[in-house]
Parts: sequence; structure tokens; C-alpha cells
Amino acid sequence: RKEVEQDPGPFNVPEGATVAFNCTYSNSASQSFFWYRQDCRKEPKLLMSVYSSGNEDGRFTAQLNRASQYISLLIRDSKLSDSATYLCVADNNAGNMLTFGGGTRLMVKP
Amino acid sequence: ETGVTQTPRHLVMGMTNKKSLKCEQHLGHNAMYWYKQSAKKPLELMFVYNFKEQTENNSVPSRFSPECPNSSHLFLHLHTLQPEDSALYLCASSRDMYNEQFFGPGTRLTVL
Repeated sequence: RKEVEQDPGPFNVPEGATVAFNCTYSNSASQSFFWYRQDCRKEPKLLMSVYSSGNEDGRFTAQLNRASQYISLLIRDSKLSDSATYLCVADNNAGNMLTFGGGTRLMVKP
Repeated sequence: ETGVTQTPRHLVMGMTNKKSLKCEQHLGHNAMYWYKQSAKKPLELMFVYNFKEQTENNSVPSRFSPECPNSSHLFLHLHTLQPEDSALYLCASSRDMYNEQFFGPGTRLTVL
């Protein structure tokens, strides 16, 4: 089983839609979780951290479910500019190093 | 944003060439990383340095040789590469190994 697993997509949604991605992690002792965004042919950029209590930033909400070992990202009122690949990250607790998932591709259509 | 810089941004080299990629971080971070990302594929971790010491070598072929002279600089020395090594090479840094990583813009490498 991969340490951090994501559905690669693509998720094709119309503008204005709400879309959610899940990401599962294998290490129950993981403590640090993040979502990154990567545009085509660009570097990944930190979107938001994921706290135990959840985290909201504008149209983006991230949540952590420790019991089921997954984190989620919810995007409300999707914009064309949200089209990108979203990378889920968790620490592997072996040296506390971050492990990146394979990414979920989102395409927002007019 | 100039937190993590990489040079060159683009590199074309033959299989017999020797070249080096450079990464510099201006964030006062203690950990630095090299990743490889082939077209439409996930990030592959190559090397990790923490306080200038290499802590991870993810089964990378010896034709890739990292160097970390200090906490702010990281190099990737390349020699006798193969065409399948063509990819985007990304450098990242973080305050500590469990903190969020910040990426440079990458070097797009083409091996002919």
C-alpha cells in the first residue's frame, strides 16, 4: 500500500460547482498534513495546512479524519483558475519526513 | 517569490556531458531536498539533506551525485545521463523535516 494515496482523476467540474478530494495515508502516527497545488509545468505550492480541527481558507476547506486515516479538500464555487493538480502530503513518522501523494487533477470547465 | 531559487531553469545536455544543477534557499531552513518529476508523473524523492547531512538516498543511480556544502546551498551533479533522465528537477527546503516544504521553480532537463 502506498504511504499517501490519491485518486488521480481527472475531476471535470463546471464553474461554480463544489468538488471534494480525499487522500488516504498509511501511517496512523502521522502528525503533519498539507495540501499543495501544482499547475502544469510549474512547481508545487503550499495551499494549506490541515489541522486536527480542520482548516478553512476562503473557498477551500481541509479536514482530517484520523479514525479512517484520510484528509479531504473541499473547493466551493469552483473557478476556472482552480484547474490544477492537488497534492496531498503527510509525514511518514520515520524521520518525520513528508511524503507526497501522486496528485489529483482538477479541470474546471466554463 | 525568491525563497528558493534554482539554476539553470532549462538545460539540454548530451549523454556524455557533465553538468550541475544549483539550488539556493534564503529562508534559513535546515532541510533541503531534490525531487524528480517526469512528464505527467508524481514527484519522486531523490535525496534529503538535514543540517548538511544526507539522510535519504532513494535508490538513485550513481550518475546523480548530490552535494550540500552548507544549509543554504544544494547541488546535483550530473554525468553520463540517459534520455529517460529527462524531467523536471525540483529543489525544496523546509525548516525541519516535518514542516511544510517550499519548492524552487525547477530545472527542466533534456538529455539527448
